[in-house]
Amino acid sequence: NAGVTQTPKFQVLKTGQSMTLQCAQDMNHEYMSWYRQDPGMGLRLIHYSVGAGITDQGEVPNGYNVSRSTTEDFPLRLLSAAPSQTSVYFCASTRDKLNYGYTFGSGTRLTVV
Amino acid sequence: AQSVSQHNHHVILSEAASLELGCNYSYGGTVNLFWYVQYPGQHLQLLLKYFSGDPLVKGIKGFEAEFIKSKFSFNLRKPSVQWSDTAEYFCAGTRRWGATNKLIFGTGTLLAVQP
Repeated sequence: NAGVTQTPKFQVLKTGQSMTLQCAQDMNHEYMSWYRQDPGMGLRLIHYSVGAGITDQGEVPNGYNVSRSTTEDFPLRLLSAAPSQTSVYFCASTRDKLNYGYTFGSGTRLTVV
Repeated sequence: AQSVSQHNHHVILSEAASLELGCNYSYGGTVNLFWYVQYPGQHLQLLLKYFSGDPLVKGIKGFEAEFIKSKFSFNLRKPSVQWSDTAEYFCAGTRRWGATNKLIFGTGTLLAVQP
């Protein structure tokens, strides 16, 4: 019963590098989201998906891309890392919008130098 | 704009003290409210949620919250805290966003319980 699995747990990037944060869930949840957590700002929605093949922007989408080729996987791509993207990233999923509450992954701590 | 506010940023309590963390929301209509907890180095976990019905909601680990519509509040309470309750607590509500609802998080309250 893995829930939501995020990899890697930690990552250091140089400015301008690209990388993909992986997120997978085994609960057959339709809704998946990526949030970033910054001190004093709570969590902010980056991108979300309401099902395989369907993605849309959240409130802070710039500099990030997502895709949803399968129900299970929802990777987040940083196109050209910037120091402002230093943050903790959480992937979350839920069965039906928010009626059952999100299940969060353990997070990826990203530092861009 | 719809928002969720947590006014206590840092709270320090001794073990066995009672806890109340404030949460206010600023929107009307259908209200879905949540409290999440994040223990040091871990991911967010759902403590409790309110959708409708009894305004006093009981969650895991002895936590409860009361939805007071007239005060736009959803405060988290626990009668007697333990050292293991040291964590960051986030209040959240839902907001319509495109084809779905998204969670709006408060800025969090860091609780430190001293033994």
